[in-house]
Amino acid sequence: QSVLTQPPSVSGAPGQTVTISCTGSTSNIGAGFAVHWYQQLPGTAPRLLIYDNNSRPSGVPDRFSGSKSGTSASLVLAGLQAEDEATYFCQSYDTTQSGPWVFGGGTKVTVL
Amino acid sequence: QVHLVQSGAEVKKPGSSVRVSCKSSGATSSSHPISWVRQAPGQGLEWMGGIIPQFEAANYAQKFQGRVTITADESLNIVYLDLSSLTSEDTAIYFCAREATLAQGVYYFDFWGQGTLVTVSS
Repeated sequence: QSVLTQPPSVSGAPGQTVTISCTGSTSNIGAGFAVHWYQQLPGTAPRLLIYDNNSRPSGVPDRFSGSKSGTSASLVLAGLQAEDEATYFCQSYDTTQSGPWVFGGGTKVTVL
Repeated sequence: QVHLVQSGAEVKKPGSSVRVSCKSSGATSSSHPISWVRQAPGQGLEWMGGIIPQFEAANYAQKFQGRVTITADESLNIVYLDLSSLTSEDTAIYFCAREATLAQGVYYFDFWGQGTLVTVSS
């Protein structure tokens, strides 16, 4: 069981907007640690998508955005495209014995 | 750019040990910590431990304490993961990843290796 909770799957038609939630607790996200997001295409390694809650590495389109509030965070995929079909993981830092590096269980995004 | 290149797939018997390597190159240094993260089939990501190659200081997730050893050869820019007493539950893809610290409280992985499949089967 993952320390951070994500929905197992979300789906949307091309051009639509989907949101993925990431729920933590007062020992990780709620303690002020930043949330980061990774995209994993089938059969490949994770790739950094969003860091420090809402920053994008160079090369990541601006239709990907992140936010954080309280003990939760969200990843928004706007203008969904076929190549966005992947699994997305959130990650943060935790002060308990579960950590320090903790991940969500991953959310599979399906483009209909 | 930073490149992390891992060793090839392994098939191991239950009770045995496995070593996976991760060679870094490009715009990185031995002061950057390297972590190991694994992913069981169809499952999420799980941090196992990490090391700062320059200081050979490693730390481990509680779950793997006593069964995992992470070492580094700074001269070769290689980090090793040794996992012992393997069971079928250790069947997974093992990734190395470079840790990044942007500021206090902002810790993430900015570059990843391609992954190494370790299969534990009798």
